[in-house]
Amino acid sequence: EIVLTQSPATLSLSPGERATLSCRASQSVGSYLAWYQQKPGQAPRLLIYDGSKRASGIPARFSGSGSETDFTLTISSLEPEDFAVYYCQQRAGRLTFGGGTKVEIK
Amino acid sequence: EVQLVQSKTEVKKPGESLKMSCSTSGYSFSSYWIAWVRQMPGKGLEWMGIIYPEDSDIKYSPSFEGQVTFSVDKSISTAYLQWSSLKASDTATYYCARHGHGPLFAALDYWGQGTLVTVSS
Repeated sequence: EIVLTQSPATLSLSPGERATLSCRASQSVGSYLAWYQQKPGQAPRLLIYDGSKRASGIPARFSGSGSETDFTLTISSLEPEDFAVYYCQQRAGRLTFGGGTKVEIK
Repeated sequence: EVQLVQSKTEVKKPGESLKMSCSTSGYSFSSYWIAWVRQMPGKGLEWMGIIYPEDSDIKYSPSFEGQVTFSVDKSISTAYLQWSSLKASDTATYYCARHGHGPLFAALDYWGQGTLVTVSS
């Protein structure tokens, strides 16, 4: 099973700041990596797929990069609605999710 | 508009059975894999497996094989997740989600709102 390790577990930032979230895979997943946002009491929402492609309706401040084993989700300037938990997910092998990064208000 | 609408919150006792639903609309149900995802209280997302409605091809996660059953009813574009004997450790929110096509194949592009299941004596 491919293990995804997300870091940091918690990121404390202020609105307007840049957020950089990391996802590392235990073996290569090519570009088969997606990112999701989840707010309390809501279902996850797809943000990024295929490593760097923004899903429909996702603002340009969200960007994804990386390949093989190292991936990054960047939020260029945090809006109040961006404070949430973010998960990465791969499907190169059996589908797995990372443990999540909580982006909280500092 | 693509929609996945899940059945309501359930409160059950250990040993009881449960069948929850994921009703879809706005796309060709038979042509997209449906995934089931568990989220235990305060925890992360766990993939339970997938089902392809056209031929009911199923792939269970080893962690859930033998514990749950996936099925579909193509006539009403609905997927199901069921247990024959619930345990307290099944307490969680369960999501259905659709796998996309093409470049989106590896991602879950639409999600149901989730069904909260509480199992307690």
